[in-house]
Amino acid sequence: LAKTTQPISMDSYEGQEVNITCSHNNIATNDYITWYQQFPSQGPRFIIQGYKTKVTNEVASLFIPADRKSSTLSLPRVSLSDTAVYYCLVGDNQAGTALIFGKGTTLSVSS
Amino acid sequence: GAVVSQHPSWVICKSGTSVKIECRSLDFQATTMFWYRQFPKQSLMLMATSNEGSKATYEQGVEKDKFLINHASLTLSTLTVTSAHPEDSSFYICSARPPPATSGARNEQFFGPGTRLTVL
Repeated sequence: LAKTTQPISMDSYEGQEVNITCSHNNIATNDYITWYQQFPSQGPRFIIQGYKTKVTNEVASLFIPADRKSSTLSLPRVSLSDTAVYYCLVGDNQAGTALIFGKGTTLSVSS
Repeated sequence: GAVVSQHPSWVICKSGTSVKIECRSLDFQATTMFWYRQFPKQSLMLMATSNEGSKATYEQGVEKDKFLINHASLTLSTLTVTSAHPEDSSFYICSARPPPATSGARNEQFFGPGTRLTVL
């Protein structure tokens, strides 16, 4: 399984755009890139998933370069409620395949 | 989206007792469920893969005789922490992924809300 590397922590202010980059140099052809968000004492929650190029949904955008060795989660105009841990995961999305979590990035949003 | 529930949400027990945690997929069937453990300010650590109708697969370093997993139906997996000790105190989280035909394009894995275990 591809290993991921993310910054341990990031700080931001309300209203700013936050970009969290994840490195996954050993990503395999069948692997997808998925980002999860976790609040304290809760299970992780799916944010966005992509395979290549750019994906956008109602909460975030995911940018993936052509070589797919990294990805960037972009959170537009963050609010205090976006303070959480963000995990970048890489895997083949098969039903029987577990997600292996790295250390994640703790995002702190201040007013 | 799909929902995974856990029960109880928290439990306090005395050292030496056993505790059972339930994980249910409420609106889909899951032949495979996963159990994670998370210590404070740390990431989720995969403990085992629960397979319906067969034995669970444990990650290296996880004692299968201490953490008993039963996946008796397509919607229920249980984790029993036997002879619990204070070092077993942790946040236990289960997850499951709906079959591809019902999961849509996202193919996401759904996590339960977690169970906080405190062993005194």
